[in-house]
Amino acid sequence: GDSVTQMEGPVTLSEEAFLTINCTYTATGYPSLFWYVQYPGEGLQLLLKATKADDKGSNKGFEATYRKETTSFHLEKGSVQVSDSAVYFCALIPISSGSARQLTFGSGTQLTVLP
Amino acid sequence: EAQVTQNPRYLITVTGKKLTVTCSQNMNHEYMSWYRQDPGLGLRQIYYSMNVEVTDKGDVPEGYKVSRKEKRNFPLILESPSPNQTSLYFCASSPTSLAGTDTQYFGPGTRLTVL
Repeated sequence: GDSVTQMEGPVTLSEEAFLTINCTYTATGYPSLFWYVQYPGEGLQLLLKATKADDKGSNKGFEATYRKETTSFHLEKGSVQVSDSAVYFCALIPISSGSARQLTFGSGTQLTVLP
Repeated sequence: EAQVTQNPRYLITVTGKKLTVTCSQNMNHEYMSWYRQDPGLGLRQIYYSMNVEVTDKGDVPEGYKVSRKEKRNFPLILESPSPNQTSLYFCASSPTSLAGTDTQYFGPGTRLTVL
């Protein structure tokens, strides 16, 4: 079945460091890909998305490019801030999801940014 | 403010005592869904609803019921809770489109403990 694998956490960085969180997927056809962020004590918020190959999603300085050839959607940010500390989830909606619109999530990566 | 609300936010209960977690959205979304979040497993879909009186099972529906009598509300019912239903629950909603890739908006979560 469809699945998402993202890098194990936790990840701890110093402020202004470069961030990469790896995400690869297994799915039939061309799923839509998402990054959601969960700040402490809150629900998930969409960070960015891409719906077709070579699309780049971007928001709040974060970027991810839909790479069909490597089935990847890695999240990057050039300079992280303390306020970026959160759990990041990679997710997909498979083509076969139909009316279910079922988001398939990775296990999440905890990011802590130190001042 | 556009939002998804859940109540209660925290609940501790005992095995077998029926409970309901409410979910309400004010965005006139057709689609609503329930997920549970467990450590190392990401989020998994429990039930979803495409519109009023239309509901269907997700990946982990056992032990849960839902209803959709009004567009804005989508309560999750545990008729006889068991300890393996201890989890963090999220309600989500989205508009519907043929593409099925619309952003899903999440509630703040309900942390349920079943003793």
